Amino acid sequence: EPEVTQTPSHQVTQMGQEVILRCVPISNHLYFYWYRQILGQKVEFLVSFYNNEISEKSEIFDDQFSVERPDGSNFTLKIRSTKLEDSAMYFCASSTKGTGNSPLHFGNGTRLTVT
Amino acid sequence: DAKTTQPPSMDCAEGRAANLPCNHSTISGNEYVYWYRQIHSQGPQYIIHGLKNNETNEMASLIITEDRKSSTLILPHATLRDTAVYYCIVKRIGGFKTIFGAGTRLFVKA
Repeated sequence: EPEVTQTPSHQVTQMGQEVILRCVPISNHLYFYWYRQILGQKVEFLVSFYNNEISEKSEIFDDQFSVERPDGSNFTLKIRSTKLEDSAMYFCASSTKGTGNSPLHFGNGTRLTVT
Repeated sequence: DAKTTQPPSMDCAEGRAANLPCNHSTISGNEYVYWYRQIHSQGPQYIIHGLKNNETNEMASLIITEDRKSSTLILPHATLRDTAVYYCIVKRIGGFKTIFGAGTRLFVKA
């Protein structure tokens, strides 16, 4: 069964450094998402992306965050200047459509630790 | 999107059916009911979704009440590997984002 893959599984970075989290969505999916989960807390929506542009974003997704689909397979999340509070699990997801009748398929996440 | 209410935790004996309730009394006609689960710190896993009718797949059954104000996820024969947090989510037809609540932590016991 096709799956969403994320790399790396664990990333350690120093405060103030830039970090790029990478995802390969399922190949025939058109909608892409990033979520994060701080330890012990809820899974939080960050951003959705379709047709090479952001379709929706949350308040968390400020100017420090950006997303990109640099080629036909990868989908990346960049954090420009990491803060301690960015430490979390980051999950990428994809779906065939952006409508309510299209389930999300998630990767197993990247654990980001900011020191 | 409509808000959902789930019990914070439930226990189930291995081999028995696990029935996880969800209240979504403010659901509107253009909103689907979705269930996902999250095992330990893995990514959420899609289980099943429905609009009005009951649904069944290889993982579970979804029973939606006639007034659509509540639903029940049924795992017919729970195993230890079904221990996870189960999320009931309401998502409107035109919406992009899926909003996760706190979910129900299901403990399957031997």
